[in-house]
Amino acid sequence: GDSVTQMEGPVTLSEEAFLTINCTYTATGYPSLFWYVQYPGEGLQLLLKATKADDKGSNKGFEATYRKETTSFHLEKGSVQVSDSAVYFCASNTGTASKLTFGTGTRLQVTL
Amino acid sequence: DTGVSQNPRHKITKRGQNVTFRCDPISEHNRLYWYRQTLGQGPEFLTYFQNEAQLEKSRLLSDRFSAERPKGSFSTLEIQRTEQGDSAMYLCASSLAWGLAVYEQYFGPGTRLTVT
Repeated sequence: GDSVTQMEGPVTLSEEAFLTINCTYTATGYPSLFWYVQYPGEGLQLLLKATKADDKGSNKGFEATYRKETTSFHLEKGSVQVSDSAVYFCASNTGTASKLTFGTGTRLQVTL
Repeated sequence: DTGVSQNPRHKITKRGQNVTFRCDPISEHNRLYWYRQTLGQGPEFLTYFQNEAQLEKSRLLSDRFSAERPKGSFSTLEIQRTEQGDSAMYLCASSLAWGLAVYEQYFGPGTRLTVT
């Protein structure tokens, strides 16, 4: 079945540092890929998405490129802020159900 | 737009009791999903509805679990004879599906269940 693997956290960075959170997937067919973010005490929010190979999703300074050849969808941000501290989930979906398959989440802690 | 709402937000119950959770999706969304999230893990798919029809159930959904969406609007998830292993966050999401296109899922805040 489909699966998503993302790097374990926590990831601790200083403000304005560069962020990369790795995500790889296995899927039958051609999935859409997503990054969701969960801020402390809040629900899951869609951060960005890409629906086909070589698409780049972007939002709030975050970017991720759908790489079919490496089955990856790494999340990047050039300069993180304290307010980016949250748990980030990579996810894929395929098929008519479009049910999401999530990674285990990566906690990001940004300090001053 | 009020978003997806879930009630209650927290539920503490004793082992063996039955519990029921409610999800109200975004009003124009015809798809509704249930997921379960345990501590330190990502959400796992449980089941989904298109309108009032339940189209798929995960093998995670044992016989003690039942979900309904009687009028294609709100949904309920019932757990009978709860066990400590049922302790988790139960998440509801909704989306719009039109033909072969399925749009992104919007999640509610979740119901945290603690079984003592």
